Amino acid sequence: SQQGEEDPQALSIQEGENATMNCSYKTSINNLQWYRQNSGRGLVHLILIRSNEREKHSGRLRVTLDTSKKSSSLLITASRAADTASYFCAALGRMEYGNKLVFGAGTILRVKS
Amino acid sequence: GAVVSQHPSWVICKSGTSVKIECRSLDFQATTMFWYRQFPKQSLMLMATSNEGSKATYEQGVEKDKFLINHASLTLSTLTVTSAHPEDSSFYICSAPYGVQETQYFGPGTRLLVL
Repeated sequence: SQQGEEDPQALSIQEGENATMNCSYKTSINNLQWYRQNSGRGLVHLILIRSNEREKHSGRLRVTLDTSKKSSSLLITASRAADTASYFCAALGRMEYGNKLVFGAGTILRVKS
Repeated sequence: GAVVSQHPSWVICKSGTSVKIECRSLDFQATTMFWYRQFPKQSLMLMATSNEGSKATYEQGVEKDKFLINHASLTLSTLTVTSAHPEDSSFYICSAPYGVQETQYFGPGTRLLVL
């Protein structure tokens, strides 16, 4: 299967709480990217972490990468109702894997106000 | 920032007809573009890699004769769903890489409904 796995599949939290989503992938990567998708819409790029990086921050987002475990996590701090969306990780494989972006299954996040 | 557009945003067609979807990079050139399909409540599945000036590369299980891809210029790739059937109904999204780290920029998607 192309896809990596993500957990949880769905997450429901209260506004102000933190949300953590995990992702695993299968091949060696150049980088790993996280995207957000509102219902029925296109994808918005959130953050990219390179294979030689372990942690990266951007605003309320914190992403970690563990290449030994082939896993990544996305933390959204102080969540807002507007953060409600589907979140996908996508691993950019190395050239020998076709330099392609392979998506995880996604996590549906619902932030209740 | 890099912007990718798609046209049309949605299309309804009868079974057996062909549908063309355009993907354009508006403010940058893209020698490579990617086409994905997304079924409801599922993730994106890569269908094919569109290469400017050469044949597209299709993922395993994707019929190249059914999903025709033409990358006619550095800013335009088209996906034609030939002889569409109801099972082809889906959300089709394209992307193009841009920048040093080749961040993928996605189009807004095209929703296809085949009756």
